[in-house]
Amino acid sequence: EEQLLQSGAEVIQPGESLKISCKASGYSFTKYWIGWVRQLPGKGLEWMGMIFPGDSDTQYSPSFEGQVTMSVDKSINTAYLRWPSLRPSDTAHYYCAMHIGNYAIKAWGQGTSVTVS
Amino acid sequence: QPALTQPRSVSGSFGQSVIIPCTGSNSDIGGYNYVSWYQQRPGAAPRLLVYDVSTRPSGVPSRFSGSKSGNTASLTISGLQAADEATYYCSSYAGINTLLIFGRGTTLTVL
Repeated sequence: EEQLLQSGAEVIQPGESLKISCKASGYSFTKYWIGWVRQLPGKGLEWMGMIFPGDSDTQYSPSFEGQVTMSVDKSINTAYLRWPSLRPSDTAHYYCAMHIGNYAIKAWGQGTSVTVS
Repeated sequence: QPALTQPRSVSGSFGQSVIIPCTGSNSDIGGYNYVSWYQQRPGAAPRLLVYDVSTRPSGVPSRFSGSKSGNTASLTISGLQAADEATYYCSSYAGINTLLIFGRGTTLTVL
């Protein structure tokens, strides 16, 4: 069974950088795109983009292009989402997700809460 | 960020059926058969219910079914149960520039 285990909650000051992680297990990590989804407090889901672990090809949503960087370390089946400089408006839950086929998301991480304050 | 249109809330009686619509455009729902539906309970991660408009992953009850007509996709939940109370999100591929968009979510109340 596919599982995605995300790093723990973060409380960060504005202007600081942050990298959160997502460790995959139960499937072939390099064969499926890993996406990231933001959920602002009390709000809906927003797709940020995705990365293909096989060759680190990335596709960003226009709304998040240039704001974050996605990367992977194939040796440890882990994907990362990095911000160079956080703002209070980045306070949200962030989910990593395993994409299948036509952009559907089959498996989700448990989410990482990021608080910028 | 652009979003598909969903009603903010719907309700249905225990044991009855409810339909949740998701409206987009020719650039997303109407242009591709790549609509998915997710269930999110409070405090939990979303769960995939339907993909490619009407395909259910293994383990999802047949009470959940998806369909599409023109620019509107729909999720039908039959035999409503208390456990179905959750927020439901649709998503669709939206072309090579936007890629993937979600609906704003519909909260289901079982009466």
